[in-house]
Amino acid sequence: AQSVAQPEDQVNVAEGNPLTVKCTYSVSGNPYLFWYVQYPNRGLQFLLKYITGDNLVKGSYGFEAEFNKSQTSFHLKKPSALVSDSALYFCAVRGDTGGFKTIFGAGTRLFVKA
Amino acid sequence: DTGVSQDPRHKITKRGQNVTFRCDPISEHNRLYWYRQTLGQGPEFLTYFQNEAQLEKSRLLSDRFSAERPKGSFSTLEIQRTEQGDSAMYLCASSSREVSYEQYFGPGTRLTVT
Repeated sequence: AQSVAQPEDQVNVAEGNPLTVKCTYSVSGNPYLFWYVQYPNRGLQFLLKYITGDNLVKGSYGFEAEFNKSQTSFHLKKPSALVSDSALYFCAVRGDTGGFKTIFGAGTRLFVKA
Repeated sequence: DTGVSQDPRHKITKRGQNVTFRCDPISEHNRLYWYRQTLGQGPEFLTYFQNEAQLEKSRLLSDRFSAERPKGSFSTLEIQRTEQGDSAMYLCASSSREVSYEQYFGPGTRLTVT
């Protein structure tokens, strides 16, 4: 069965510091991995994806994520956090063995303090 | 491109009543998804359409739930005999044939069953 775990309900970081939001997954076949962000009173927005190729993928707003197959992880990172990055972040996975069912994690709330 | 739209944005109904939600995807997006999101959780997959064909359906979608996409454009999600447990945010997303991995989400319909 497919699953996604985001072990931290909340991550706190000071503005200008690097941030990491963790995600691990379980899926049949090769994973398609995604990060989405949800700002208050706004819909989910796509940030980045890993389908194949380089393990480090870059996305919107300066975010990047590293795919680690042996650790089944896909952690979201940013070198220097901004207050405006404060939001709810969701990791999601889909297997490549057919079907379009995407499984989302429970989300991690990121607080960036000025 | 006006994005994915959903109607209504909010719906309050009494237990036992039927409700119907509408989703208009981004024009020319041939893939459409419905999700349900409750407080503190990530979106849960409900169903998926490719054009007018409903190709996947979650076991979460009980017999009281039905979704249609009659002409491969807009979609409706109907809940019959609503229960208090149906209270949630219902999200619609769409994706294109060319970039089918990235889903674009609508603002959601918040359902409250009293």
